[in-house]
Amino acid sequence: EIVLTQSPGTLSLSPGERATLSCRASQSISSFYLAWFQQKPGQAPRLLIYATSSRATGIPDRFSGSGSGTDFTLTISRLEPEDFAVYYCQQYGDSPRMFGQGTKVEIK
Amino acid sequence: QVQLQESGPGLVKPSGTLSLTCAVSGGSISTSNWWTWVRQPPGKGLEWVGEIYHIGSTNYNPSLKSRVTISVDKSKNQFSLQLNSVTAADTAVYYCARSLLEPSYYYYYIDVWGKGTTVTVSS
Repeated sequence: EIVLTQSPGTLSLSPGERATLSCRASQSISSFYLAWFQQKPGQAPRLLIYATSSRATGIPDRFSGSGSGTDFTLTISRLEPEDFAVYYCQQYGDSPRMFGQGTKVEIK
Repeated sequence: QVQLQESGPGLVKPSGTLSLTCAVSGGSISTSNWWTWVRQPPGKGLEWVGEIYHIGSTNYNPSLKSRVTISVDKSKNQFSLQLNSVTAADTAVYYCARSLLEPSYYYYYIDVWGKGTTVTVSS
């Protein structure tokens, strides 16, 4: 079972700032098999990024993903008010297709 | 555009069976995709429960494997989750989702989610 560890647990930033979220895997995974989701309170998660760096349909280009092996990053270049939410990474190469525990991006 | 809708009892008694259905609209369930269940306990993160392919192949989270069954009903274009011997720890929002095939490199990723349904385990 591949365990994903996200850091930090909470990120306190102001609108317009850059957010950098980390997702570390317990073993190497193909870059094809890593996704990022955004979840707002009371809503279902929404796909942002798949295959490490491919933006899903309709996702603004201020969201970008990078990484390889065991270390992956989601970057939000300039935080908009609607970006304050919880973000999860997920690996889908092996079963069980585990999620990280989440990073909350909150308004400072 | 595919849409997913979960349905089922919102309250289940301890030691009972949780049964949920996910109706697929806007597309056929008999496509080259996997159909997935994910749950989220109150105030906690996402937990992958399992998935099914339309021909019946399944993968389950080992932490739930002894209690969970996912099935598909192609005639109704829906798939279902059954979780036996439930306890309060199974109280969660349950989401169904589509794991879409990327045909060039042959991998699957969740691209569409249902809105989720809350299930409470309590007597």
